[in-house]
Amino acid sequence: GENVEQHPSTLSVQEGDSAVIKCTYSDSASNYFPWYKQELGKRPQLIIDIRSNVGEKKDQRIAVTLNKTAKHFSLHITETQPEDSAVYFCAANTGGFKTIFGAGTRLFVKA
Amino acid sequence: EPEVTQTPSHQVTQMGQEVILRCVPISNHLYFYWYRQILGQKVEFLVSFYNNEISEKSEIFDDQFSVERPDGSNFTLKIRSTKLEDSAMYFCASSRGVTGETQYFGPGTRLLVL
Repeated sequence: GENVEQHPSTLSVQEGDSAVIKCTYSDSASNYFPWYKQELGKRPQLIIDIRSNVGEKKDQRIAVTLNKTAKHFSLHITETQPEDSAVYFCAANTGGFKTIFGAGTRLFVKA
Repeated sequence: EPEVTQTPSHQVTQMGQEVILRCVPISNHLYFYWYRQILGQKVEFLVSFYNNEISEKSEIFDDQFSVERPDGSNFTLKIRSTKLEDSAMYFCASSRGVTGETQYFGPGTRLLVL
């Protein structure tokens, strides 16, 4: 079955710097890759997603890149702000009914 | 904007007791899911449900678990005989479609088994 690895587990950046979180997946049939942000005690909220027919997608300060050959995808947050502090999860879906999440990255943005 | 809702927000139960967690998916969504998140860990897929039957389930979803859509709006997760290790946050999610469709999560039910 699908397995999603996520790194780093913790990331600390200075406000204004960029943050990059990387994920790899194992199932080459995976074709949809959402990223979720989860604040303490809250539900996961979708922040951006990418489908396998696209290599990059950007939404304001957030971008995601996908390398299908290498089976990895990354989240890039530019100009980080303290309110970006949260746990970020990558996930992969094979087009079926199961979405597999990575272990999460705890991002700290220091003011 | 419509949201997935879940009740109760917190549930405390004794080991061996049955619990039912309730969810109201977004009204025009057709696909429903349950996930589990043990404190401080990742979100784990439990089960997906479409057209009144289970579409896929994980190894976690054993015979102690069941899901049901008892009416046109509710989607429930039942744990027949709770164990200490069932203590977790349980999230319901729903989506319009399945392939490449966004899943919207509910606020979760925090289950504590004593």
